[in-house]
Amino acid sequence: DSGVTQTPKHLITATGQRVTLRCSPRSGDLSVYWYQQSLDQGLQFLIHYYNGEERAKGNILERFSAQQFPDLHSELNLSSLELGDSALYFCASSVGLAHTGELFFGEGSRLTVL
Amino acid sequence: QKEVEQDPGPLSVPEGAIVSLNCTYSNSAFQYFMWYRQYSRKGPELLMYTYSSGNKEDGRFTAQVDKSSKYISLFIRDSQPSDSATYLCAMRGNAGGTSYGKLTFGQGTILTVHP
Repeated sequence: DSGVTQTPKHLITATGQRVTLRCSPRSGDLSVYWYQQSLDQGLQFLIHYYNGEERAKGNILERFSAQQFPDLHSELNLSSLELGDSALYFCASSVGLAHTGELFFGEGSRLTVL
Repeated sequence: QKEVEQDPGPLSVPEGAIVSLNCTYSNSAFQYFMWYRQYSRKGPELLMYTYSSGNKEDGRFTAQVDKSSKYISLFIRDSQPSDSATYLCAMRGNAGGTSYGKLTFGQGTILTVHP
């Protein structure tokens, strides 16, 4: 158990809908990262928050947004969902900025868009 | 062309075999290299981290980096059934103090070690 908690574990929704994925980092970790894992693209970096502020952004779609709250949990909002958004969404955390490359990943939220 | 190429396998080996997993990359800005292991229905976990060309050993695992060839490898000695998982290479540039967790991953190699 990495100590990173993600909810929900599974989510099935329809095209055009909006969903929110939630992540609680390990106790004491200030950084939260979101990654998307799909069969064709592999594991791709979406966004990084550090202590409430956006630190880096990857190829995150404009339909997607994220935030980190004062209690350090984070939410990833996905809107106007398309079939291609079906994927496993991972949250990861690290104590600081992950100088050693060590990210602690949750078990993921599997999103299916029908 | 992807920045990081990794043969997805699957790779099946008998228990006790030496396993070699490889990645090539095209972005010369990548300076730091990692190997993550992902068990089925779990998130990835860090196995090895290295930033210099050469070998780094940790128990049964050896990470090898050749920056001149843009090639990294992970060797697993005396492989065990518990090593059965997907192995992902990951890498990043210098980050410039922004985000060291912004990693570029390979597709992952599925490894099965059978008794």
